[in-house]
Amino acid sequence: LAKTTQPISMDSYEGQEVNITCSHNNIATNDYITWYQQFPSQGPRFIIQGYKTKVTNEVASLFIPADRKSSTLSLPRVSLSDTAVYYCLVDTGTYKYIFGTGTRLKVLA
Amino acid sequence: DAGVIQSPRHEVTEMGQEVTLRCKPISGHDYLFWYRQTMMRGLELLIYFNNNVPIDDSGMPEDRFSAKMPNASFSTLKIQPSEPRDSAVYFCASSPLEEDEQYFGPGTRLTVT
Repeated sequence: LAKTTQPISMDSYEGQEVNITCSHNNIATNDYITWYQQFPSQGPRFIIQGYKTKVTNEVASLFIPADRKSSTLSLPRVSLSDTAVYYCLVDTGTYKYIFGTGTRLKVLA
Repeated sequence: DAGVIQSPRHEVTEMGQEVTLRCKPISGHDYLFWYRQTMMRGLELLIYFNNNVPIDDSGMPEDRFSAKMPNASFSTLKIQPSEPRDSAVYFCASSPLEEDEQYFGPGTRLTVT
């Protein structure tokens, strides 16, 4: 089964920039890369989506290299409330809506 | 809008019993998804619908699982008979278009004893 991989966990301090990378070697040619945030006992919540190069919105940036085999979610100046699990979501062509393994981010004061 | 609504929020049942999980998507969303989340396997897509029609059910683990969407505002996921390994959090999500962001419900935590 094709899958995506992410670091299991990361720690950061408040105010720092956090970068989380997802590897998706088998991504489909024409599909987007999407990132979600999940808090305990809640469903995932959309953060950002992109197809190539760089996308930025009010909460995050998404960097996608030309080969699209990975993507990096960048959270600027994290706060304690950003402590959550972060997932990438891709379509591999054969398998749709494949969630990554998730990265547990802990923000420390 | 109230968002995606799921019921029940928690379900405890005994092995062999039938379990029905319910979902009301956001009005106007054409796509509905059912996911299962466990510690071991993470978030897995079970099935998704477009305009009430099942598009891909390859993630449904076995014949004990079935899903229906009789109309645009309601979907069910049924497990019959249930087994302890079905214990998980089941999420329903909806989206306007296939590539759009998905809006997740709060989930149903199922425990099969």
